[in-house]
Amino acid sequence: NSKVIQTPRYLVKGQGQKAKMRCIPEKGHPVVFWYQQNKNNEFKFLINFQNQEVLQQIDMTEKRFSAECPSNSPCSLEIQSSEAGDSALYLCASSLFGDEQYFGPGTRLTVL
Amino acid sequence: QQQVRQSSQSLTVWEGETAILNCSYENSAFDYFPWYQQFPGEGPALLIAIRSVSDKKEDGRFTIFFNKREKNLSLHIKDSQPGDSATYFCAARGASGGNYKPTFGKGTSLVVHP
Repeated sequence: NSKVIQTPRYLVKGQGQKAKMRCIPEKGHPVVFWYQQNKNNEFKFLINFQNQEVLQQIDMTEKRFSAECPSNSPCSLEIQSSEAGDSALYLCASSLFGDEQYFGPGTRLTVL
Repeated sequence: QQQVRQSSQSLTVWEGETAILNCSYENSAFDYFPWYQQFPGEGPALLIAIRSVSDKKEDGRFTIFFNKREKNLSLHIKDSQPGDSATYFCAARGASGGNYKPTFGKGTSLVVHP
């Protein structure tokens, strides 16, 4: 069973509001991924880290989305100005070497 | 362009039957193929995975058959149980390094009737 912790499980925001979610990876896993899963179950990769360094990110995250994985603190994903289209399940996964990814339960974001 | 395609959006089988979920891919550089199982309200869980150097991987009731030449693979769930009812995602990752992002299929929703 995965030991990735994500908080909060549910998040409701109004349009234009900031939305922040956190992830604690499995102990000892240096690689962290963030995905957005929409209502059609489609996964969209957002960003990944190795320790505190960004490995890859999509263009979207460079605008309204920001993420970080500080040492000795939870990783976080923040949407600066939420839009209705951001409503989705945000999944964090951690990995030891990058192959086997272990997902958390996700944060369900609803933007009204 | 969908790089990982799961041929069925949904599949229904009876308890005890073998469920076969199909997946195909386009990028010859993909070399690692995990399957994830996701129940409603939960995150995906890694079920079983195969590397492109193998043509079969078995773990209990779950078996992956892999055909590199045809660029397709299938997940066989033997002796299906109602508790196997979930959405199954095929994914693929390239050989650029373990930290490279995987590409996911759109999932197959499996229903196992008792």
